[in-house]
Amino acid sequence: KAGVTQTPRYLIKTRGQQVTLSCSPISGHRSVSWYQQTPGQGLQFLFEYFSETQRNKGNFPGRFSGRQFSNSRSEMNVSTLELGDSALYLCASSSRLTTWEETQYFGPGTRLLVL
Amino acid sequence: QKEVEQDPGPLSVPEGAIVSLNCTYSNSAFQYFMWYRQYSRKGPELLMYTYSSGNKEDGRFTAQVDKSSKYISLFIRDSQPSDSATYLCAMSPSGGNTPLVFGKGTRLSVIA
Repeated sequence: KAGVTQTPRYLIKTRGQQVTLSCSPISGHRSVSWYQQTPGQGLQFLFEYFSETQRNKGNFPGRFSGRQFSNSRSEMNVSTLELGDSALYLCASSSRLTTWEETQYFGPGTRLLVL
Repeated sequence: QKEVEQDPGPLSVPEGAIVSLNCTYSNSAFQYFMWYRQYSRKGPELLMYTYSSGNKEDGRFTAQVDKSSKYISLFIRDSQPSDSATYLCAMSPSGGNTPLVFGKGTRLSVIA
């Protein structure tokens, strides 16, 4: 089974620009979560989508948004980029079975550098 | 105080050593505990998960949870250079794919 894929893998933007990142979950997985990873804060939860609906949201400003499509692929968007948005953005998918034992599998991430 | 505390290391051990990695947490609602391994420039890879207190073993890896002390551990036996990575603990109050709260990770180097 193919893993979680994320595109692009690397991105350089300037302050004030916006960016869109894409995530394709493992086939059959309907839930997609996004995390931001920085050296200072570690991994922090951004939001989770299931069946095209946002189910959970972390403590990030409204500049961070996302969506999920009917094929479970997801995108996240960051508007008005700030220097502090430079980070590794990770996508994770899970199949949301009734048993807890299904957990989150991560993609390789998109490394965003804001200049 | 952060919800999950993890010593960032770096931790350097000789090949074959037993490695002990630990996290403490403050939220007594956490019930599900995971360990992820992250190689440089890769996404985190799930190593172990446990529910509530107790031990779980998988090959060279053993995960322990002590909810009374709010303390979790990962032991790696017969460590190998290929184990060199950052190890992240993660936890959540509910199972499945609910938002995970991560420690900052411990960087481990196993020297041949």
